[in-house]
Amino acid sequence: AQTVTQSQPEMSVQEAETVTLSCTYDTSESDYYLFWYKQPPSRQMILVIRQEAYKQQNATENRFSVNFQKAAKSFSLKISDSQLGDAAMYFCAYRSHWGDFNKFYFGSGTKLNVKP
Amino acid sequence: NAGVTQTPKFQVLKTGQSMTLQCAQDMNHEYMSWYRQDPGMGLRLIHYSVGAGITDQGEVPNGYNVSRSTTEDFPLRLLSAAPSQTSVYFCASRSDASNTGELFFGEGSRLTVL
Repeated sequence: AQTVTQSQPEMSVQEAETVTLSCTYDTSESDYYLFWYKQPPSRQMILVIRQEAYKQQNATENRFSVNFQKAAKSFSLKISDSQLGDAAMYFCAYRSHWGDFNKFYFGSGTKLNVKP
Repeated sequence: NAGVTQTPKFQVLKTGQSMTLQCAQDMNHEYMSWYRQDPGMGLRLIHYSVGAGITDQGEVPNGYNVSRSTTEDFPLRLLSAAPSQTSVYFCASRSDASNTGELFFGEGSRLTVL
């Protein structure tokens, strides 16, 4: 089984500032997908951003971007211009491309607080 | 635009009781799955299905049964509930036509076993 680690259980950021959430993973595979999901207090899991491992370019979605370091097996999420609505639990997830691609592996989550 | 629908959203059971969590999706996704979410442990895969009549175990399958008779529905059964099954349960589906195959989640079901 793959292991996904989020070492920051909780973080805080001031509104309009930038914050980076960390995620590392353990795999021997070369082709895989990485995801960041947001879980607001409503409990709904929402996809924030995704990255294909074969793509060297870091994914970006509006204020959300990733820093994908394949050799270091690191996949951090940067949130720019933080907004109150960004307050949520954030989960990093891994999925194999060729191997056991029917299973997603999630980290333990990082709770992000946004201060007005 | 329903997506993935889970019922019930909240349930309280007594130890030893049985129940079924329902999950339905209207996106014609072949892949469906159940996860449980516990504090400090993220989401863990219970069971999954890649199509009608095909199911397989995930990381934490003990105490749970599933079946897949149609593409749309994937119920999760607890035959004899235990306090250790107190958790939030998520149903999720995925399109095989998608390159990255991200999961689409239901709103979750909070289950308490007394």
